[in-house]
Amino acid sequence: QKEVEQNSGPLSVPEGAIASLNCTYSDRGSQSFFWYRQYSGKSPELIMSIYSNGDKEDGRFTAQLNKASQYVSLLIRDSQPSDSATYLCAVMGVYNNNDMRFGAGTRLTVKP
Amino acid sequence: SQTIHQWPATLVQPVGSPLSLECTVEGTSNPNLYWYRQAAGRGLQLLFYSVGIGQISSEVPQNLSASRPQDRQFILSSKKLLLSDSGFYLCAWSQGQGTSPLHFGNGTRLTVT
Repeated sequence: QKEVEQNSGPLSVPEGAIASLNCTYSDRGSQSFFWYRQYSGKSPELIMSIYSNGDKEDGRFTAQLNKASQYVSLLIRDSQPSDSATYLCAVMGVYNNNDMRFGAGTRLTVKP
Repeated sequence: SQTIHQWPATLVQPVGSPLSLECTVEGTSNPNLYWYRQAAGRGLQLLFYSVGIGQISSEVPQNLSASRPQDRQFILSSKKLLLSDSGFYLCAWSQGQGTSPLHFGNGTRLTVT
């Protein structure tokens, strides 16, 4: 069983639509969850962090966490072509709280 | 503010040659430091992480090694590169509190020929 799983995509949405990205993780003891955006050829950049069950909003981004279901999601509202990138889900504490594991990423394309 | 420097940006090395990639962090003390590798079109594979000077945890058995000679310096090495070592190498740091996110350097793209 993979530690952090994401649909690889590609996910394609029209400009202005909501993009929904999903992630599941295997370690029920994980406590910290992150979403990163990675443009082609670049390093990942942090978008959101979430630690408690429920929703966390930051501008056009909303992260959702459900620890009982071991599920994390990222919603991008009013998607823009500049949002086209690979989105990486990351989970801290898969084996200890210094160990961060990443999913394989979901490639998002926003079409004008 | 904290900054992370990673070099070189690109590297082309023949099979069997040695490797040394360096990463330094400024503006913080006693950070956790990480090395990840990303193969083309793939996710990030954790190679090594360090919670302090001389303390290295290895995640994947391979021909790579890591060292942390100073608090804010992390070095990735190999004595003899393999073709399969090609990839995008990323250094990252965190505050090490268990809830802190990782912050990445710009990466080194290594091609082994």
